[in-house]
Amino acid sequence: EPEVTQTPSHQVTQMGQEVILRCVPISNHLYFYWYRQILGQKVEFLVSFYNNEISEKSEIFDDQFSVERPDGSNFTLKIRSTKLEDSAMYFCASGFLAGVGEQYFGPGTRLTVT
Amino acid sequence: DQQVKQNSPSLSVQEGRISILNCDYTNSMFDYFLWYKKYPAEGPTFLISISSIKDKNEDGRFTVFLNKSAKHLSLHIVPSQPGDSAVYFCAASARNAGNMLTFGGGTRLMVKP
Repeated sequence: EPEVTQTPSHQVTQMGQEVILRCVPISNHLYFYWYRQILGQKVEFLVSFYNNEISEKSEIFDDQFSVERPDGSNFTLKIRSTKLEDSAMYFCASGFLAGVGEQYFGPGTRLTVT
Repeated sequence: DQQVKQNSPSLSVQEGRISILNCDYTNSMFDYFLWYKKYPAEGPTFLISISSIKDKNEDGRFTVFLNKSAKHLSLHIVPSQPGDSAVYFCAASARNAGNMLTFGGGTRLMVKP
C-alpha cells in the first residue's frame, strides 16, 4: 500500500541553524501539507501546497518557514533560523482531493532544537 | 483554539465490548469530519470519515455518527480489540477554508484483554 515517507526520523539542531525536513508524498496525490505537534499539544496545521504554490497557511507559518517541491516526488519544509519553540514532531501529509478528501500522514520527523 | 474538542482524555474498555469516542465542534462551517488513530512515534493513520450531508458512515468495525444540530460526532468500535489501543483524534475541515484539518486533542483508548 502506498505511504508517505519522511526523512530524517529525528533531527537535532542548534538554535539559529537552518533545517530542511523532507517528505515523499503518495505518488498520485495532488495536495501536500505540513502539520506539527508540540509535545503534549494538538496536531496543528502549518501549510498546504497545491499546483506548486501555497494554498493555505496558518499564523504559525511565518517568514522563517518555506516549502518547496523541488522535483516530482519530494516535498520539503525549511526552517531558516530555528528557535527552541520549533521543537516538535513535524508531519507531512498528502491527499488526492481538496476540502473533503482524506489526508494521509507520514511517520513524522522529531525536531529537537537545543 | 478550541474549535474541535475531545473532552475525554482517556477511555478504557474490555475486549469485545463497544468503544465510543466523542468529539464536539464549534465551527458550523465544518463540513467534513475524519477520525485518525495514532500509535506512539508514528503518524496519524486515517480510519474513517463522514461528510456533513450524512449522519452515519460505517466501515467494518468502525462507525462514525454525526449530529449536526448538536455539533457532535462519535466513533464506535465494535467489537473492540487490544490492537485498537491507541490515541484517537477527530479532525474537521471546511470547504471554504481550504484544505486544513483542525484536530481535537485526542482520546487514549485502552482495550483490556
